[in-house]
Order: sequence, then structure tokens, then C-alpha cells
Amino acid sequence: GESVGLHLPTLSVQEGDNSIINCAYSNSASDYFIWYKQESGKGPQFIIDIRSNMDKRQGQRVTVLLNKTVKHLSLQIAATQPGDSAVYFCAEQPGGSYIPTFGRGTSLIVHP
Amino acid sequence: GAGVSQSPSNKVTEKGKDVELRCDPISGHTALYWYRQSLGQGLEFLIYFQGNSAPDKSGLPSDRFSAERTGGSVSTLTIQRTQQEDSAVYLCASSLAQGTGELFFGEGSRLTVL
Repeated sequence: GESVGLHLPTLSVQEGDNSIINCAYSNSASDYFIWYKQESGKGPQFIIDIRSNMDKRQGQRVTVLLNKTVKHLSLQIAATQPGDSAVYFCAEQPGGSYIPTFGRGTSLIVHP
Repeated sequence: GAGVSQSPSNKVTEKGKDVELRCDPISGHTALYWYRQSLGQGLEFLIYFQGNSAPDKSGLPSDRFSAERTGGSVSTLTIQRTQQEDSAVYLCASSLAQGTGELFFGEGSRLTVL
């Protein structure tokens, strides 16, 4: 069936480095994509979203890139900080659907 | 607080018992979601409510699971005759409007079935 998945379950980086978290999606009908951050013991928290009519969107220290040709999504975090340590989920939502489908998640570990 | 509130935060029960999990969404949010998260896994969609419309129950894993939303606000997820595989964190989220946009999640209810 159609699914959202992540390439790397765990990513370790040094404080100050840039981090890139990748996500593959297979539902060609998806036109809305979201990244969430989940800290231990908490619910997921919205980071940034992007619609399929865009290929890049920037926020504060974060950038999301969308490549519809290869159905790939990435989250870039600049100057990664220890507080960025968390599990990151991408989610996709097909046009006309109100329900995001979440991937398995990537654990980001930032070493001071 | 102004966020999504869930209770209980932790629930330990014996196999075969019924449990109820409660969600208080953010005031004014018309959309409400229930997801389930097993250890080290992603979020599995369970059910979606939007205003007074019939809920989307397509994610409920069995007829032991049900949910209701009273007065367009508080929601209760009920699991009957619990099984060990029901052990998970049950997350509730609300959003301002239907369609795309940010979901605001609660901290979840951790259910352990012995």
C-alpha cells in the first residue's frame, strides 16, 4: 500500500553542524507535507509545512525541500543545538484528505 | 492551560478490562484526531472528528475500539476487553479548521495492558 517512510532511523551530529533528515513518500496524490518534532514524553510539535506547488520553504533555522519527481522530502536544520535532539516525523496528506499519515520517525541526537 | 489536555497520563490495566481515555481539545478547534503510537513507531491514525459531521473511523483497528465527541468538544476513546497489543501511547490532536494546517497534540495517555 501507499506509505511514508524515512531513510535513517537514527542521526547523530555534533552541536553546530547542519542536520539533514530525509523522508520518502509513495502516494503521488499527496499535496501537503508536514514535519513534526517529538521530544521524549511529549506529543509531536509542528515545525514546518510545504505544499506541492513549492519545492522549498524556510523557517527559523529550518528548511524543507520537496522533490516531487522522486517523491522525496527533507528537513534541514542549521547550526544544530542540543535542544534539537528529538524524534522527527514527516507526514503526508493527499489532496481532499483531512488526515495526515505519519512516517516511522528519525531520532536526531545532538552531541555537545 | 491553552493546549490539548489528555487524561489519564498513565493507565495500567488488566487484560480483558475496559478503559476510557479523555481528550480536551483547544477551545474553538473544530477538528479532533486520535492517533496511537507504539514503542519506537510512528503515529497510527485511529479516528477523526470534524464539527457535527460523521466521524472518519477508518483507522480503528477492531470493533473493541470506539470514540465519541460530545458537544463538539471533549472526546472519549474507549477500548473494550483490552489486549496486550493495545499497549501504546494514545495521542489526541486538534486543529482550527478542516483541511491542511497544524495539528496541536496533547502529551498522550500511556496505556499498559498486563
